[in-house]
Amino acid sequence: DAKTTQPNSMESNEEEPVHLPCNHSTISGTDYIHWYRQLPSQGPEYVIHGLTSNVNNRMASLAIAEDRKSSTLILHRATLRDAAVYYCILRDDQDTDKLIFGTGTRLQVFP
Amino acid sequence: DTEVTQTPKHLVMGMTNKKSLKCEQHMGHRAMYWYKQKAKKPPELMFVYSYEKLSINESVPSRFSPECPNSSLLNLHLHALQPEDSALYLCASSQDFNRKFEKLFFGSGTQLSVL
Repeated sequence: DAKTTQPNSMESNEEEPVHLPCNHSTISGTDYIHWYRQLPSQGPEYVIHGLTSNVNNRMASLAIAEDRKSSTLILHRATLRDAAVYYCILRDDQDTDKLIFGTGTRLQVFP
Repeated sequence: DTEVTQTPKHLVMGMTNKKSLKCEQHMGHRAMYWYKQKAKKPPELMFVYSYEKLSINESVPSRFSPECPNSSLLNLHLHALQPEDSALYLCASSQDFNRKFEKLFFGSGTQLSVL
């Protein structure tokens, strides 16, 4: 009963933009979309979250489809430090108090 | 200070040992969490404390015993563990609990090996 679907892995070259997709076709109107990433040998790190509108912060941008059934995390210029597993997570009414991780996308960045 | 500090970073224990993992945060957060992560897998939620009271136990075996002595500290007491309990144990905190826009801050984890 996965709530989100992400590709297992993606590759990018350094200084190129990266678009990480996430499908969440069962999303309801009050579900928040969160992204976390986990660098090697580190705990997960919050990246960004949104509800309906696109969001920008110093780390990334989050583009949310109009029907909210998918979203895309955008890293504008990938660096080697961005190599990590990226998790797209829905926080919904059923599991409001829980942050439940899916399998995520492993991003490799090449020099 | 936006850090969650976990000690020790590495722990090796036998199946008959008793040990404890410690987690500390000084951000004034009132919710604290324990996650378990096996190699190459996503983190799995174990326990949630809110205002120093246990709010969620995800059916974790009793050989894992959490404790929240105050709002800044979270412990995980380990007793009679099995080799399959070897994993990275992650602590996290958030400002509050039960809010869908809340973000969690994670520590770097304790890598536990049970022999």
